[in-house]
Amino acid sequence: DSGVTQTPKHLITATGQRVTLRCSPRSGDLSVYWYQQSLDQGLQFLIQYYNGEERAKGNILERFSAQQFPDLHSELNLSSLELGDSALYFCASSDLDRQGPRPHRPSGANVLTFGAGSRLTVL
Amino acid sequence: EDQVTQSPEALRLQEGESSSLNCSYTVSGLRGLFWYRQDPGKGPEFLFTLYSAGEEKEKERLKATLTKKESFLHITAPKPEDSATYLCAVQVRGSQGNLIFGKGTKLSVKP
Repeated sequence: DSGVTQTPKHLITATGQRVTLRCSPRSGDLSVYWYQQSLDQGLQFLIQYYNGEERAKGNILERFSAQQFPDLHSELNLSSLELGDSALYFCASSDLDRQGPRPHRPSGANVLTFGAGSRLTVL
Repeated sequence: EDQVTQSPEALRLQEGESSSLNCSYTVSGLRGLFWYRQDPGKGPEFLFTLYSAGEEKEKERLKATLTKKESFLHITAPKPEDSATYLCAVQVRGSQGNLIFGKGTKLSVKP
């Protein structure tokens, strides 16, 4: 168990529908990242939140949105679903609170801890 | 454009047959290079972070090395339980911390 919890584990829905994926980060982590993994594209970064605020955007479609709540859990909303949205959606968390170096992390790099993912199938 | 390329896409080994996986990267500035292991239907599991050229890290049968353009994951005397997809990722200096992943190398180790 990585400490990052994602629900639901599996979700089957129809085209045009809307779904919400939920993520609880590891205790103490303030940053949450969402990734999409499909067979041909690999892991693609969607969006990042830090302590409730959006910090970075990747290849996230306009039909998708996310938010991070005061208790630090995050939700990814996917609407007007298409067949091509079928994929594994991963949430990751980290303890990044600044970009500077630390004694145990000389370059300031931070480790992302991933959840087990939510598998979305759009029929 | 920052990018990561992994090779080969798939690798089949016999138990005990050592080999290496390659990760080539192009970034504007490297903050860290990461290796993750991913089992089917599961999330990526962190293995190593490398920060600068010449750095090496080891864990059991795995050893990761880093140069200015690429990283290698050496697998010594692999066992069937080492079968998984190995993902390489970079964290770019000046970014908010997100990782840019390669497509991975799927390793199969036969007994």
